[in-house]
Amino acid sequence: GAVVSQHPSRVICKSGTSVKIECRSLDFQATTMFWYRQFPKQSLMLMATSNEGSKATYEQGVEKDKFLINHASLTLSTLTVTSAHPEDSSFYICSAEGWLEETQYFGPGTRLLVL
Amino acid sequence: GQQVMQIPQYQHVQEGEDFTTYCNSSTTLSNIQWYKQRPGGHPVFLIQLVKSGEVKKQKRLTFQFGEAKKNSSLHITATQTTDVGTYFCAGEGGGSEKLVFGKGTKLTVNP
Repeated sequence: GAVVSQHPSRVICKSGTSVKIECRSLDFQATTMFWYRQFPKQSLMLMATSNEGSKATYEQGVEKDKFLINHASLTLSTLTVTSAHPEDSSFYICSAEGWLEETQYFGPGTRLLVL
Repeated sequence: GQQVMQIPQYQHVQEGEDFTTYCNSSTTLSNIQWYKQRPGGHPVFLIQLVKSGEVKKQKRLTFQFGEAKKNSSLHITATQTTDVGTYFCAGEGGGSEKLVFGKGTKLTVNP
């Protein structure tokens, strides 16, 4: 089946720094990638949808200047949490969907802890 | 917008008992997916249902998709401690490619 990887799997950073998370589709071309955030004991929350070569579409309430998303190629999307604060600590998951895929394939997630 | 309601939020069972979680969508779905998240892990894809009235089985797990394609259920027969985790449904449809997740059902199993 389709494989989606995320890097890093865990990251700890100081408040005020920026963190970049990569999402890669390893064996298929992902025309669309999705970024989710999961708060403890809660469901996944869609943050944004990104299509290759175009600007990401952010969900209501998600700050686009804080969560920068780039989908520069058909196999890579990045999420950059700028000027991270402790409240940004969370589990971030990406998923990818290709032209022929009927489902989204999830990455393993990145656990971010901001001190 | 599209909403997916999932119940119950929590379920505690004795090992060997059956377990069922239900999902209802506010709109007709093109497909519904089920995920399992173990404590400390990430959601793992279990199955996708596409056809109206579809029933699929994976060992002790039975997945159903309603005739109207607006509801779905996951039933586990004779639960085991390895079944512990949170089960999410996620629906895609309503003209949107978004996958809308239910809030999940957290299952705990007493040995």
